Amino acid sequence: ELKVEQNPLFLSMQEGKNYTIYCNYSTTSDRLYWYRQDPGKSLESLFVLLSNGAVKQEGRLMASLDTKARLSTLHITAAVHDLSATYFCAVDKETSGSRLTFGEGTQLTVNP
Amino acid sequence: DAGVTQSPTHLIKTRGQHVTLRCSPISGHKSVSWYQQVLGQGPQFIFQYYEKEERGRGNFPDRFSARQFPNYSSELNVNALLLGDSALYLCASSLYWVGEQFFGPGTRLTVL
Repeated sequence: ELKVEQNPLFLSMQEGKNYTIYCNYSTTSDRLYWYRQDPGKSLESLFVLLSNGAVKQEGRLMASLDTKARLSTLHITAAVHDLSATYFCAVDKETSGSRLTFGEGTQLTVNP
Repeated sequence: DAGVTQSPTHLIKTRGQHVTLRCSPISGHKSVSWYQQVLGQGPQFIFQYYEKEERGRGNFPDRFSARQFPNYSSELNVNALLLGDSALYLCASSLYWVGEQFFGPGTRLTVL
């Protein structure tokens, strides 16, 4: 059974600081996704990582993928209050169609 | 272009009742998946439909059923509602059976 674990589950940080969220998955997967979710809202796609060593950056967020370690990281640089949200990673396997298995989420709070 | 749409946005039901949730995929997308997200958790996969056939089912009881129509829209039905069915129900569509999914705004179901 495919399992996805994120840590930390809760993260409180000050504006201007850097931090990393980790996502481990238990078996080989084809794609890894990062999503952002604001309270009461749906999922906003941030990144899709397809291959080992993939790195993508958007603004203050950078995601990377190490398929050998089954690990993805979401790095936050110089956090700002607007980044406060819950971040999910998810993986899929083509043998299971588009079915996504999600982590528990990391609730990020950026304090002024 | 319109994204994935879902209706209704909010719904309140009582235990034992039945509910139908609706989803329209992005134009041209042939696959629809349903997810349940209980407060404080990551989304859990319920069903995937592709070309009007069920192609994947998560670990949910038979009270949950779905179908996909010739225009690729989909309905999720839940019978004999329980308090634990209270959740945000997310619909996602993709072009084919595999590939990136795009999420709708969700339906918030409250069971009293």
